[in-house]
Amino acid sequence: GAVVSQHPSRVICKSGTSVKIECRSLDFQATTMFWYRQFPKQSLMLMATSNEGSKATYEQGVEKDKFLINHASLTLSTLTVTSAHPEDSSFYICSAIGGAIYEQYFGPGTRLTVT
Amino acid sequence: AQSVAQPEDQVNVAEGNPLTVKCTYSVSGNPYLFWYVQYPNRGLQFLLKYITGDNLVKGSYGFEAEFNKSQTSFHLKKPSALVSDSALYFCAVRAGSGSARQLTFGSGTQLTVLP
Repeated sequence: GAVVSQHPSRVICKSGTSVKIECRSLDFQATTMFWYRQFPKQSLMLMATSNEGSKATYEQGVEKDKFLINHASLTLSTLTVTSAHPEDSSFYICSAIGGAIYEQYFGPGTRLTVT
Repeated sequence: AQSVAQPEDQVNVAEGNPLTVKCTYSVSGNPYLFWYVQYPNRGLQFLLKYITGDNLVKGSYGFEAEFNKSQTSFHLKKPSALVSDSALYFCAVRAGSGSARQLTFGSGTQLTVLP
């Protein structure tokens, strides 16, 4: 199946700094990418949907100025957590759609810890 | 709006016994249904999907699921559980038509297979 990678897998940053997470589709062109947030032992919460070359669509309650999403190419989307705070600590998972419209592939996730 | 319910937070089963993880859904029109498995600190792994056709879908690692339109259910099953099947399982749905392409996830069911 198609492969989606995320980098880094783990990151620790200090409060007030920004951190960027990359999501790449390795063997297909992803017209749409999704960013999810997951708290321990909870379900995935959709944060935003991004289409290549256009602005991301954020879910209600997600601050677009805090969680900057860029989908500059068909294989790369980035999520930047700006001015991170401890409450932003979470597991962030990206997902991509390519090819058949019902196939959605997930990255391995990024564990963000803000100290 | 589309939604998924996984009524059981936790399912325990003895190794070698059959297992069932329940899922019911609500969506406008025909549903696309999915099951994913998540191991600790990992992303989601695709198990199986129902798009159309035979109501009994077979997937990875010996898992299968049955689409029941009248009961709006898509329960995950395996005839003989393995200890290695212990993980967090998510059911997901999206509408088969329309502009919304994102998946809606259930709350997850923690499966524990006891040796």
